[in-house]
Amino acid sequence: RKEVEQDPGPFNVPEGATVAFNCTYSNSASQSFFWYRQDCRKEPKLLMSVYSSGNEDGRFTAQLNRASQYISLLIRDSKLSDSATYLCVVSLNTGGFKTIFGAGTRLFVKA
Amino acid sequence: GAVVSQHPSWVICKSGTSVKIECRSLDFQATTMFWYRQFPKQSLMLMATSNEGSKATYEQGVEKDKFLINHASLTLSTLTVTSAHPEDSSFYICSASPRVNTGELFFGEGSRLTVL
Repeated sequence: RKEVEQDPGPFNVPEGATVAFNCTYSNSASQSFFWYRQDCRKEPKLLMSVYSSGNEDGRFTAQLNRASQYISLLIRDSKLSDSATYLCVVSLNTGGFKTIFGAGTRLFVKA
Repeated sequence: GAVVSQHPSWVICKSGTSVKIECRSLDFQATTMFWYRQFPKQSLMLMATSNEGSKATYEQGVEKDKFLINHASLTLSTLTVTSAHPEDSSFYICSASPRVNTGELFFGEGSRLTVL
């Protein structure tokens, strides 16, 4: 089992749609959780951190369920510019900080 | 957010030559930097953790003699791909963080290496 698993995608949605990405992690000692966005041939950029209480940033909402070891990202009112790969990222301290990336889910938003 | 700069952004070289990639933290000091490799349509794969003033820690399966890492200062880490071969062609990305214990990372722009 992979340490961080994501929906394989790709997701093809029309503009204005709501889309949800799921992610599960295997290590219950994981401490920090993030969603990164990566555009084609570019470096990943932090989209948002994920907190236990859930957090929202504009059209983006992230949720964390520690009991189920599950993270989600909801994008409302999708824009063409949201087309990218979304990476679920988990960090834990194993005597040194370790950051583990999911394989990513590709999103295509079409007009 | 913090700024990490990587250079060169792309490089083409002949098989058998060595290529050096630099990663700099521009507005913070980084005792730890990370090097990743990403093949097309695949996720980032951590190659090694670069530690300032000490030896790098390599992930399983990554040859330390092939991918030389030097972290000589708190703002600079270098990755040298020695005796490059076409299979080394990839997107190499570094990352660092001013808040190392949060897990939040800032990435360089990446270096696309093509070995002919």
